[in-house]
Amino acid sequence: DQQVKQNSPSLSVQEGRISILNCDYTNSMFDYFLWYKKYPAEGPTFLISISSIKDKNEDGRFTVFLNKSAKHLSLHIVPSQPGDSAVYFCAAKSGGSNYKLTFGKGTLLTVNP
Amino acid sequence: IAGITQAPTSQILAAGRRMTLRCTQDMRHNAMYWYRQDLGLGLRLIHYSNTAGTTGKGEVPDGYSVSRANTDDFPLTLASAVPSQTSVYFCASTPDSLNTEAFFGQGTRLTVV
Repeated sequence: DQQVKQNSPSLSVQEGRISILNCDYTNSMFDYFLWYKKYPAEGPTFLISISSIKDKNEDGRFTVFLNKSAKHLSLHIVPSQPGDSAVYFCAAKSGGSNYKLTFGKGTLLTVNP
Repeated sequence: IAGITQAPTSQILAAGRRMTLRCTQDMRHNAMYWYRQDLGLGLRLIHYSNTAGTTGKGEVPDGYSVSRANTDDFPLTLASAVPSQTSVYFCASTPDSLNTEAFFGQGTRLTVV
């Protein structure tokens, strides 16, 4: 059973508009959430994260929102730029001493000029 | 070397052959990880190591083994490759096992025929 779900395989937006990438999770033990960005032929790079004690974290053009009651988080990119075109992975971690990230399947974002 | 280096970048391997994917980091990170990325499945943890001398099984460990003789190196071995092990393999590291903002290598694309 998939514990982290990214139900949109792809998303296309116009440059300058907002991109909203969504992620749902089922495990109530998850206490930390991350977004990674991946370009073709490169490894994933960390983008932004949020702890379960917060509902929002902002870093420049990127904002992550967490709705614990709905077990839902989203990544907002404003304004979107062509260089943002990549695959975005949502990941989650549960408490404990062992690092183990559970990843979603990813969403391919295409920002059109 | 800067960050994490994986070798080889890509490989075509005959089924039944033995193969070791190399991973080296120069950041003195204690924790290291191996993930595989498959289309439609996201990234899945194969094995991890919280510190030199220790290893643990991830989500999909069968058919793979790892060792962690020192801080810098974390090789992944396929003892007898099978076509289902065709994937892109990513090595990652974090300063410690509690830190979730992992640094990833560029990946190794392995095709087992």
